Amino acid sequence: DQQVKQNSPSLSVQEGRISILNCDYTNSMFDYFLWYKKYPAEGPTFLISISSIKDKNEDGRFTVFLNKSAKHLSLHIVPSQPGDSAVYFCAATGSNDYKLSFGAGTTVTVRA
Amino acid sequence: GAGVSQTPSNKVTEKGKYVELRCDPISGHTALYWYRQSLGQGPEFLIYFQGTGAADDSGLPNDRFFAVRPEGSVSTLKIQRTERGDSAVYLCASSLEGRYNEQFFGPGTRLTVL
Repeated sequence: DQQVKQNSPSLSVQEGRISILNCDYTNSMFDYFLWYKKYPAEGPTFLISISSIKDKNEDGRFTVFLNKSAKHLSLHIVPSQPGDSAVYFCAATGSNDYKLSFGAGTTVTVRA
Repeated sequence: GAGVSQTPSNKVTEKGKYVELRCDPISGHTALYWYRQSLGQGPEFLIYFQGTGAADDSGLPNDRFFAVRPEGSVSTLKIQRTERGDSAVYLCASSLEGRYNEQFFGPGTRLTVL
């Protein structure tokens, strides 16, 4: 059972524009959400996270929004840069839980 | 090195063979995790170690899979009688004790079973 879903397998965006990646979850016990970025032949690297007590967290060009009632979160990248081209994974976990549940990933391609 | 390292980076084996995949966590990280990423999917949890003991191996798909961490540092994931369906990227992550939200991942081992 896929508890975290990323329904868009790919996204193409022009350099300088906004990239919006979406993620939905089904487990109401999840209260901490993370975004990881992955380049080919490398492991996922942590990008940004958000706790369920917040609805927004911002770090430079990256902002994550959480809508708990809809069990939905999104990652905004503004402005998009060529180096942002990668696979982005949404992940979720519960309080004091060591297991991360991942979505299938969204491949972002930033066009020059 | 500063990060999590995994060896080999690629492993090709034949159906029915035995393989070992190694993970060197970040120094000082007592928590270690194994995940498996199949084609087109996100990483899926396999097993979690706190120190030398496997605190949770509920994600291991069957008894052909086994992992050890005898000295609380390096871990080895062992797969017996490999099957084609075992082909995947095996990822290792580590974190400080209790810092489950701060898992640092290695580059993975790509296992191909022919």
